[in-house]
Amino acid sequence: QVQLQESGPGLVKPLETLSLSCTVSGGFTSGYYWNWIRQPAGKGLEWIGRIDTSGSTDYNPSLKSRVTMSVDTSKNQFSLKVTSVTAADTAVYFCTREDVWGSYRLFDYWGQGTLVTVSS
Amino acid sequence: EIVMTQSPVTLSVSPGERATLSCRASQSISSNLAWYQQKPGQAPRLLIYGASSRATGIPARFSGSGSGTDFTLTISSLQSEDFAVYYCQQYNNWPSITFGQGTRLEIK
Repeated sequence: QVQLQESGPGLVKPLETLSLSCTVSGGFTSGYYWNWIRQPAGKGLEWIGRIDTSGSTDYNPSLKSRVTMSVDTSKNQFSLKVTSVTAADTAVYFCTREDVWGSYRLFDYWGQGTLVTVSS
Repeated sequence: EIVMTQSPVTLSVSPGERATLSCRASQSISSNLAWYQQKPGQAPRLLIYGASSRATGIPARFSGSGSGTDFTLTISSLQSEDFAVYYCQQYNNWPSITFGQGTRLEIK
């Protein structure tokens, strides 16, 4: 059974860099994509970006200038950095596995989510 | 960007009754649509992919339909555990994906 667990600071100051990691157990393998999705309180889901185990990335165009994702296969982890954060970046951040087969793209496993608050 | 619009924002239905949730895409997405259920304090859970295929372990009372721009999620006989927020998500424009804003299904 695949499990994902987010970790990182829950409080980040404005204009600083948000850094989160996601540790995957039960199968951090090629053939899948590893994503970050966020959700402001009481609002909907926003896709941030994805990475594969080779380090290839795709980012949401609206966030691309501030987002970097990386992968460490030796630790079964992938990470997210968002620079120059503002209050608008306050959200619950989820890491997810994206299964890709045929024409299907499925977010089939999710972490529990971690709240990141941007405040001084 | 493909914009996904869900309606209604909130749907009030009695247990045992049928619920019908709608999702509309701003341009054709073929059948490249998924539905997710999210309960308070939890991560979303995949229900439907390919517009009409149930994910593993999803009860048969959940069904999806539609193609092109108009999609429907139907829950045939609501159980107490079905009251949640539901999101549609398009992946036709992959690698970019977008979600709808969600429909809150509440007990009437």
